[in-house]
Amino acid sequence: EPEVTQTPSHQVTQMGQEVILRCVPISNHLYFYWYRQILGQKVEFLVSFYNNEISEKSEIFDDQFSVERPDGSNFTLKIRSTKLEDSAMYFCASSRQGMDEQYFGPGTRLTVT
Amino acid sequence: AQSVTQPDIHITVSEGASLELRCNYSYGATPYLFWYVQSPGQGLQLLLKYFSGDTLVQGIKGFEAEFKRSQSSFNLRKPSVHWSDAAEYFCAVGGSARQLTFGSGTQLTVLP
Repeated sequence: EPEVTQTPSHQVTQMGQEVILRCVPISNHLYFYWYRQILGQKVEFLVSFYNNEISEKSEIFDDQFSVERPDGSNFTLKIRSTKLEDSAMYFCASSRQGMDEQYFGPGTRLTVT
Repeated sequence: AQSVTQPDIHITVSEGASLELRCNYSYGATPYLFWYVQSPGQGLQLLLKYFSGDTLVQGIKGFEAEFKRSQSSFNLRKPSVHWSDAAEYFCAVGGSARQLTFGSGTQLTVLP
């Protein structure tokens, strides 16, 4: 069964550093998403991406964040200058169409020290 | 703004017993509703969804959920719980199915 994959599973970085989280969505899916879950808190929507552009984003997704689909398979989330409060589990998801269910990857745990 | 409330932070049931996890949502129109399950160290797995039509929806692993518009609820049920069902369960709502809002989750413990 096709699945969303994410790398790395755990990333440790120092405050102020740039990080790139990588995701490979399911191959025939057209919509891509990033969510995050701070420890002990709810899963929160960050951004959705379709046709090589952002379609929706939350208030959390400020200028420090960016997304890109650099090739036909990868979907990345970049945080330009990490803060301590960026420490969280980041989930990538994809869906075939905008009205379909989203399939989630296993997540990348980001620890900012 | 859309929101989801899962009133039960933690539920404990015995194996073989029935289960009901509560979910209440707030949304102005007919919502898209989902239940996801998360096992330790795993991602979110979709159990079932409601988009429209029959208000009783069947999902994987023997789970079902009922959409009740009058109560703004989408409770998850299973007639007989197995030890492998121990996990955290999340209810989510989306106006377009794209931007999901999740509840805070219910941790399920299954006693032997």
